Amino acid sequence: KAGVTQTPRYLIKTRGQQVTLSCSPISGHRSVSWYQQTPGQGLQFLFEYFSETQRNKGNFPGRFSGRQFSNSRSEMNVSTLELGDSALYLCASSTTPGLAGGGAGELFFGEGSRLTVL
Amino acid sequence: QKEVEQNSGPLSVPEGAIASLNCTYSDRVSQSFFWYRQYSGKSPELIMSIYSNGDKEDGRFTAQLNKASQYVSLLIRDSQPSDSATYLCAVISGSARQLTFGSGTQLTVLP
Repeated sequence: KAGVTQTPRYLIKTRGQQVTLSCSPISGHRSVSWYQQTPGQGLQFLFEYFSETQRNKGNFPGRFSGRQFSNSRSEMNVSTLELGDSALYLCASSTTPGLAGGGAGELFFGEGSRLTVL
Repeated sequence: QKEVEQNSGPLSVPEGAIASLNCTYSDRVSQSFFWYRQYSGKSPELIMSIYSNGDKEDGRFTAQLNKASQYVSLLIRDSQPSDSATYLCAVISGSARQLTFGSGTQLTVLP
């Protein structure tokens, strides 16, 4: 059974640009959540999607957005990149209905997309 | 006060010893608690979940939960060099239904 797949694995952008990251969850998992990991702030929750609907959102500015498609694949977008957005962005999938729906916190993480903003 | 606090370490133990990792949380209504392991350069992986007061054992790992003290711990018995990693405590915080992670404890098991 394939795990969570994230693309691209590494990318370099400059300030002001935007970036789109992709995540394919484990087959059968309909809940996808995104996290940002930095050395200073650790793992921070960005948002959670279930059945193409954003169920929960962390404390990040509106430049961070996401969506989920009917096949459960998810994308997140960061616009007007800032130096502080440099981080490892992790996608995790879980069995229905996801945390916001009362599900367990047993998340399966992808390998992440490492974003460097210059 | 951070919602989930861990001793940042680093923590070093000799091979074969017991490693003890601690975590406290601030949201008294939290109900679900997890330990994730993250090897350097890798993504977190779930190793233990605990929902009720007391101990839960899985192989060499034992999770302990004390809701009255808002404290959760992870014991690793017979520690192996392959256990060297960062251990992340995570809590589903009350009504927000978000998984909040601690900053992690870096464990090194010395051969």
